[in-house]
Amino acid sequence: DAGVTQSPTHLIKTRGQQVTLRCSPISGHKSVSWYQQVLGQGPQFIFQYYEKEERGRGNFPDRFSARQFPNYSSELNVNALLLGDSALYLCASSSRYSNQPQHFGDGTRLSIL
Amino acid sequence: GQQVMQIPQYQHVQEGEDFTTYCNSSTTLSNIQWYKQRPGGHPVFLIQLVKSGEVKKQKRLTFQFGEAKKNSSLHITATQTTDVGTYFCADNTNAGKSTFGDGTTLTVKP
Repeated sequence: DAGVTQSPTHLIKTRGQQVTLRCSPISGHKSVSWYQQVLGQGPQFIFQYYEKEERGRGNFPDRFSARQFPNYSSELNVNALLLGDSALYLCASSSRYSNQPQHFGDGTRLSIL
Repeated sequence: GQQVMQIPQYQHVQEGEDFTTYCNSSTTLSNIQWYKQRPGGHPVFLIQLVKSGEVKKQKRLTFQFGEAKKNSSLHITATQTTDVGTYFCADNTNAGKSTFGDGTTLTVKP
């Protein structure tokens, strides 16, 4: 079975631009969470979606938004990019809403120039 | 906000030596998860601990959850070069909205 897939793998943008990152969860998984990982730090929670509804939002500005589609895939959008948005963006899926292992994708490496 | 602190930040060992990383929280955790991230890779789930005082083993890895459910540890016996990576604990009290520690990076010298 395919794991969590994310696209693109790498992306270079300039300040002020907008970016959309995509995630396909493991088949049958209905929960998708997004994390930002800056070099040398642990992943920081951005959003969780379950059954197409937002179930949680981390301490990130409104420039960050996300959605989940009927097939449970998800998109993360970031507007007005800042240099500090440079990071590895990880998507994780789990089979249920609570107390389940999270399965991470390989991430999207976003670089802001 | 809720935080989990991990120590040490880095650990360098000779192959065959033991390794331990510690995770501490100021608040009671309902459960804690451990992940391993290889250089250039993504976090991979290792285990979840739920019960007070719980101890779980996976081959050379031993995971413990404190009696007060405020701390946890991961111990690796007789490290191998394949153990290299960063080990994260994550507070999964709010399911799917995990709070990760900053990890302990393990390097193993052959």
